[in-house]
Amino acid sequence: GAVVSQHPSWVICKSGTSVKIECRSLDFQATTMFWYRQFPKQSLMLMATSNEGSKATYEQGVEKDKFLINHASLTLSTLTVTSAHPEDSSFYICSAQTGYNSPLHFGNGTRLTVT
Amino acid sequence: TQLLEQSPQFLSIQEGENLTVYCNSSSVFSSLQWYRQEPGEGPVLLVTVVTGGEVKKLKRLTFQFGDARKDSSLHITAAQPGDTGLYLCAEYNNNDMRFGAGTRLTVKP
Repeated sequence: GAVVSQHPSWVICKSGTSVKIECRSLDFQATTMFWYRQFPKQSLMLMATSNEGSKATYEQGVEKDKFLINHASLTLSTLTVTSAHPEDSSFYICSAQTGYNSPLHFGNGTRLTVT
Repeated sequence: TQLLEQSPQFLSIQEGENLTVYCNSSSVFSSLQWYRQEPGEGPVLLVTVVTGGEVKKLKRLTFQFGDARKDSSLHITAAQPGDTGLYLCAEYNNNDMRFGAGTRLTVKP
């Protein structure tokens, strides 16, 4: 149980376009979802925390107008990279939990390449 | 912001060798988690340690939490090529999660 699905697993887009990444909890309700960014050979950097039905909380240095997060239901959160630039190319990972301080379950990530 | 320092950053060993990786903090952990991540995939939780001095074993992996809850170690006995991956420690406290920089382990057959 406790499966988190990310889609797509990889995407290539052109500069200036927007890309939406979905994070779904398949067999549990996720009150909170987290979005991370990971550069090659580096650790995960938390971008934002998303609670169902409320605005996401962004980490310092993360542009909320560029990385739009929507957590409209207990099983789905989306991250939209708007007006993508090549420097946005990265591995994006989400995680989800059922409640406060409960275990985190990670998706398999989405590799974004902006050309 | 609590900083999590992991060492070593890179480790390359032969199959059958033992190894230890470390995670240290500037302040007390409320709880600490160890994850393993393979390329192109999300991290997978290995263990959560909460109590100072706690030792947990997962097959050939032994996790220790320091008495003062400011450090933790992961020891792998008789490493196998399948242990290759990025090992991350993370603190999770009050709905806030921070990862260490990770130790990239390569086990050569």
